[in-house]
Amino acid sequence: EAGVTQFPSHSVIEKGQTVTLRCDPISGHDNLYWYRRVMGKEIKFLLHFVKESKQDESGMPNNRFLAERTGGTYSTLKVQPAELEDSGVYFCASSQGTAPNYGYTFGSGTRLTVV
Amino acid sequence: AQSVSQHNHHVILSEAASLELGCNYSYGGTVNLFWYVQYPGQHLQLLLKYFSGDPLVKGIKGFEAEFIKSKFSFNLRKPSVQWSDTAEYFCAVGRGGADGLTFGKGTHLIIQP
Repeated sequence: EAGVTQFPSHSVIEKGQTVTLRCDPISGHDNLYWYRRVMGKEIKFLLHFVKESKQDESGMPNNRFLAERTGGTYSTLKVQPAELEDSGVYFCASSQGTAPNYGYTFGSGTRLTVV
Repeated sequence: AQSVSQHNHHVILSEAASLELGCNYSYGGTVNLFWYVQYPGQHLQLLLKYFSGDPLVKGIKGFEAEFIKSKFSFNLRKPSVQWSDTAEYFCAVGRGGADGLTFGKGTHLIIQP
């Protein structure tokens, strides 16, 4: 079974530019989650999709962040315009069911550096 | 808001030493508890989880954790560590019915040969 795939693995952009991160969940997993880890801090929940619908986006930092999951397959997370404090590692995870007991499978993350 | 506290940010041990990583959470309701590990260059992997039942949970690679409700704790243990256990370890809490996990800041574990 293929795992959760994220790309790019690394991205360095200048402040004010736009970056789009992509996540391909495990095939058949309706639930997709985005998390972010800013250096030295906790991994923080950003949002949760069930198929193409946003179930919970309470963790999104501000309106510069836009997540989509058209067709309920892969998801993108766009940051526009990027700010220095957006630097960090963005993780994606997927699961079959919505409850935590189904277990998440995480991707390797995208390390975003805004300079 | 709930929070998760991991007591040690960096731990250095010699091979064969015993390990205990502390984790405390602040939430009074029903919780699901997890330990994840991230080996260098790899993705987060689930070590073990607790939902209900026996508070002593056994996971992969010889790890175990004990849920002590009265102390709001879920400490991770391993009786004898190996060099390959060098990694970052994360405690996480999920509330029953809610989806997102709350993570601790992580503990870097370095095992010296």
